[in-house]
Amino acid sequence: QKEVEQNSGPLSVPEGAIASLNCTYSDRGSQSFFWYRQYSGKSPELIMFIYSNGDKEDGRFTAQLNKASQYVSLLIRDSQPSDSATYLCAVNRGKLIFGQGTELSVKP
Amino acid sequence: EAQVTQNPRYLITVTGKKLTVTCSQNMNHEYMSWYRQDPGLGLRQIYYSMNVEVTDKGDVPEGYKVSRKEKRNFPLILESPSPNQTSLYFCASRPQGAGETQYFGPGTRLLVL
Repeated sequence: QKEVEQNSGPLSVPEGAIASLNCTYSDRGSQSFFWYRQYSGKSPELIMFIYSNGDKEDGRFTAQLNKASQYVSLLIRDSQPSDSATYLCAVNRGKLIFGQGTELSVKP
Repeated sequence: EAQVTQNPRYLITVTGKKLTVTCSQNMNHEYMSWYRQDPGLGLRQIYYSMNVEVTDKGDVPEGYKVSRKEKRNFPLILESPSPNQTSLYFCASRPQGAGETQYFGPGTRLLVL
């Protein structure tokens, strides 16, 4: 089992819809969780981080954490074509462990 | 501007020719690391450094060396590059705390012929 797992996609959603990106992790002791966005050929950039169970909202983005289920998700509301990118989930266990990323395509 | 810089951004070399990719950060971060990114394999950590003169292996250290003589610099050295080291490389830095945000450099695309 991989330490951090994401569906590789591609996930395709129409413009204006909600995109839901999911991530599971294996280490119950993990404390902090990060979502990065990476455009093709570019470096990852941080979108959100979350430490506590529940939801954390920032603009059109909502991160959701469920430590009991070892599950973290990212919702993107009102998806725009500019959101088309690969989204990386990362878990901090002293060092960042990355999932393989989910490719998101938002169609106009 | 707070940033992580890498040089060169693009490099084509031949097998066995030693090369160094430089990394520098201006945020006074203690923690620095190197990753490589390959299709289907995601980001994998090569080496990391908790502070000056403190370095340790990541998940894929074979064929690489690093040094941390100064806080701001963390060069990645390929003593004898091989084609399987063709990849996209990222340097990253963050403050020491486990929950701190990590910042990435722009990446170095390396092709070893």
